[in-house]
Amino acid sequence: NAGVTQTPKFRVLKTGQSMTLLCAQDMNHEYMYWYRQDPGMGLRLIHYSVGEGTTAKGEVPDGYNVSRLKKQNFLLGLESAAPSQTSVYFCASSYSPRGPSTDTQYFGPGTRLTVL
Amino acid sequence: AQTVTQSQPEMSVQEAETVTLSCTYDTSESDYYLFWYKQPPSRQMILVIRQEAYKQQNATENRFSVNFQKAAKSFSLKISDSQLGDAAMYFCALWGIQGAQKLVFGQGTRLTINP
Repeated sequence: NAGVTQTPKFRVLKTGQSMTLLCAQDMNHEYMYWYRQDPGMGLRLIHYSVGEGTTAKGEVPDGYNVSRLKKQNFLLGLESAAPSQTSVYFCASSYSPRGPSTDTQYFGPGTRLTVL
Repeated sequence: AQTVTQSQPEMSVQEAETVTLSCTYDTSESDYYLFWYKQPPSRQMILVIRQEAYKQQNATENRFSVNFQKAAKSFSLKISDSQLGDAAMYFCALWGIQGAQKLVFGQGTRLTINP
């Protein structure tokens, strides 16, 4: 049981390049989330998914796209990277926000992305 | 809109002593959860403690406890017998049940443990 994993752990891009971050979870969670973490700002939600085939915008969705083709995977895409997207990206998953009182969000280890 | 505010960017405490991290929040929802997450230098987000808003009793997990003041919208974290391994960034977070399905985080408090 690996929990939530993210690929890659580090990446450096040039402005205008594209890339995809992969998040995988093996806990059979319905909900998955992508956050970005910038210094002094905590974590902010980019996009989330409440189930296979569904996605929704979070707080800071511009410049990103997502897909949830399989329940266990949640992809975050940058079509044309910009220096403002330099950040640490976290994926998280949860069974359901209306689940039992022990439910919570479980986080991956993060991906550090630098856009030059 | 939901907001979470941590007014202490940095805190420090002597090893074995007690420290309290502050958090205030705002939400229009009546049913919500509150969390404290720890982020050590490894970057991993680790759940420390959670509190259901409908429960009056403050949550406790070993050396970690919260002071939940619902009317004041305050949710502070108390760490007793501080250990060197407690050094980390601590984030307070709010999860509304009826509204958007997301965690809203505070800005974080960096906790330093002095030996």
